[in-house]
Parts: sequence; C-alpha cells; structure tokens
Amino acid sequence: DVKVTQSSRYLVKRTGEKVFLECVQDMDHENMFWYRQDPGLGLRLIYFSYDVKMKEKGDIPEGYSVSREKKERFSLILESASTNQTSMYLCASSSSRQETQYFGPGTRLLVL
Amino acid sequence: AQTVTQSQPEMSVQEAETVTLSCTYDTSESDYYLFWYKQPPSRQMILVIRQEAYKQQNATENRFSVNFQKAAKSFSLKISDSQLGDAAMYFCAQLTGANNLFFGTGTRLTVIP
Repeated sequence: DVKVTQSSRYLVKRTGEKVFLECVQDMDHENMFWYRQDPGLGLRLIYFSYDVKMKEKGDIPEGYSVSREKKERFSLILESASTNQTSMYLCASSSSRQETQYFGPGTRLLVL
Repeated sequence: AQTVTQSQPEMSVQEAETVTLSCTYDTSESDYYLFWYKQPPSRQMILVIRQEAYKQQNATENRFSVNFQKAAKSFSLKISDSQLGDAAMYFCAQLTGANNLFFGTGTRLTVIP
C-alpha cells in the first residue's frame, strides 16, 4: 500500500513565524503535490514537483515556497505565516501525472 | 479554465438505500481522467473510483459506480446499499493533459441509520 505521511496533524503558529510542513511518501513516486483545503472551496493546488529539486507553481502559490531535496520528501514552507493561511494542508503523490494521487492525512494549521 | 461543479453541498441517504452525487465538468480536451475521492471525518482522502475519458464503459468498484456522460460532461457517482461508513465528503476531480488535478467543492454525505 502507498503510504503518505505528514509531520503534524495539528499546528498552531503565530503571525510572522516561519512554518515547515513535511511530507514523506514511501512508494518511490515521481510526483508530489501540496494542496490547501478550505470549506466551500475544495482543494486548491499550491505547488507540485515532478522530480527532485524541481518545482512548479500551482494555482495559489503566493505566500508559499517548497523544497524537494530527496525524492521521498516534499516540504511546504510558509516564510511568514499570516492568518489567511489558516487551513488544512494536504500532501499527495503519484507515480506519473496520469496516475492516481495518494493523499496524506493532512495538517490542520491555525495561525494566530 | 477548468471547472468542476458539484451542485449538492450536502446529501443524505438512508442506510441500505441508493444515492447519486452529481458532478459536471468542463474541458476542451479529448483526453482526460475523472475521479471521485472520499474524505471521511478526520481521516485520509482516498480514491473511490477513476474513469478514463476514452473508455465508454462506466467504471464500477463494488457498490460504487459512475454514470459518465461525455457529451453532457457529466460524471455522477452512485452508491448502492449505503453503509454508515460511506458518510464522508466526496470530491469530484478532473485531470487533463495540460493541467493538474482540479477538484470540485465537495458534497457532504450523511448516512441515516
């Protein structure tokens, strides 16, 4: 079974803090994705990566950056957290663009 | 621009009954994929069913089946013999060659015992 894990289920941070969200997959997948999920808006793509050290902007990249130093790990970085970044963050991976994405359990982030 | 529309924010169904969740999408591409994902409360998002646009036959996975109407750009999910464990948010999603996976806003399904 594909396993995608995320470093935290819940996080509380202060405005202006730097926040790291980590995601690890164990299936040697090429592609990894970061989404945020908000009520009434569904899931929106923040960034994705199709290879180590490669990254592409998604639909809502502003205020975020990512890092992929190893194939299995994809990090989402909030350089200076703001209250409008309070959300559920979901990581996913897939073996290729056309294949099914497998999701992690999500990190619920609260920025105060 | 891609659009995926789920017009039912909430649905409910009696246990053992059948329910259909609707989804419409828009794309000008001929090759694309459609998905239904399920997100149970406080649990991981999992794939329910997947449909390749080039396949005319509707996908089926046990109690879950789709009604794929390509000309109408409609992709509804039918859940037969509903169980309490089917209670979840259901998301319809579309993947095209030019774009990434694009999700609808979700339908919350309640199963009434």
